[in-house]
Amino acid sequence: DQQVKQNSPSLSVQEGRISILNCDYTNSMFDYFLWYKKYPAEGPTFLISISSIKDKNEDGRFTVFLNKSAKHLSLHIVPSQPGDSAVYFCAASGETGANNLFFGTGTRLTVIP
Amino acid sequence: DSGVTQTPKHLITATGQRVTLRCSPRSGDLSVYWYQQSLDQGLQFLIQYYNGEERAKGNILERFSAQQFPDLHSELNLSSLELGDSALYFCASSVQTGSKGNEQFFGPGTRLTVL
Repeated sequence: DQQVKQNSPSLSVQEGRISILNCDYTNSMFDYFLWYKKYPAEGPTFLISISSIKDKNEDGRFTVFLNKSAKHLSLHIVPSQPGDSAVYFCAASGETGANNLFFGTGTRLTVIP
Repeated sequence: DSGVTQTPKHLITATGQRVTLRCSPRSGDLSVYWYQQSLDQGLQFLIQYYNGEERAKGNILERFSAQQFPDLHSELNLSSLELGDSALYFCASSVQTGSKGNEQFFGPGTRLTVL
């Protein structure tokens, strides 16, 4: 049972425009959410996170929004750059308190120059 | 470079065999996590160790086992391998456990192919 879902396997965006990646979760016990970025032949790299007590967290071009009532989060990248082209994974933790992560299946972002 | 190392990078073996994957965490990190990524799937949590002790278990098969040694490196042992065990296996580490906000740093992964 997939507790974290990324329903869009791929997304293409023009350079300079906004990229919006979406993620839904089903487990209301999750209280910490993260986005990871993955290039081919590399491990996932941490991008940005948000605690469930917040609804927004911003870091440079990256902003994560959390809507707890809808069990939905999104990652906004503005402006998008060709180097942002990668697979983005949404992850959540909190169920066990042991900090292991539950991952979505990823969204492949392609930023077109 | 995350500071987490995994060996080997690639492993090709036959069904029924046993393999060992190795992970060295970042310097100072006490927690090690193992994840499996099958084709077109997200990463699935297998098991976590903290300072040598098992801390949490995910969907880890009984044919799989892991341990963390006194020098904090970890090994994931996969036995009686089946075709479906072919996947990318990632190791991650973090400073501690049970504390929200602990970023996990991932190694480059080991690609296991079972023929």
